[in-house]
Amino acid sequence: DAKTTQPNSMESNEEEPVHLPCNHSTISGTDYIHWYRQLPSQGPEYVIHGLTSNVNNRMASLAIAEDRKSSTLILHRATLRDAAVYYCILRDVGSGNTGKLIFGQGTTLQVKP
Amino acid sequence: DTGVSQDPRHKITKRGQNVTFRCDPISEHNRLYWYRQTLGQGPEFLTYFQNEAQLEKSRLLSDRFSAERPKGSFSTLEIQRTEQGDSAMYLCASSLVKGRGTDTQYFGPGTRLTVL
Repeated sequence: DAKTTQPNSMESNEEEPVHLPCNHSTISGTDYIHWYRQLPSQGPEYVIHGLTSNVNNRMASLAIAEDRKSSTLILHRATLRDAAVYYCILRDVGSGNTGKLIFGQGTTLQVKP
Repeated sequence: DTGVSQDPRHKITKRGQNVTFRCDPISEHNRLYWYRQTLGQGPEFLTYFQNEAQLEKSRLLSDRFSAERPKGSFSTLEIQRTEQGDSAMYLCASSLVKGRGTDTQYFGPGTRLTVL
């Protein structure tokens, strides 16, 4: 499974945008880019996913580089409730794919009031 | 939508005892996953089911671990002869997979196991 690289931690001020980067230089053509987050003392929570084009949903936006070797999760206005560990994960949907998620260390986001 | 539920939420046991955890997935989800998470680490995949069939087991899943999903609904994860190294959060997730597209996994709150 392809690996991702994320900064260990980031800080943001409340109500400001946050850009969380992820590098995945060995991504294959059948890898989807998924983001999950994990709030303290909770199970992971799906945030967003994409393949090639940028994606928006009610939680966040996902910007994918043209060569797909990197992506950025964008929280448009951070709130204190967005403080969590954010995981960038590649999901292969090629033949034989099991669908299991392979989590790295993620980025711990701190939001300051 | 009741989400994924897990029971118990917390379990304290003595080394050598057997423990069993239960996961109730979202209704009609055909896939069910088990993960384990230790402090400061991301979750690690243990095993998954497609309906009632267990299709993959991680090498992390030693012979002391067994998982079942009878009738393709709820699942149980049993650990026999627990060891202190088994102390972790055990997470269950479910998803609905159609064809070869990607899926979204919905996680439960986890069962925190402490082995004394």
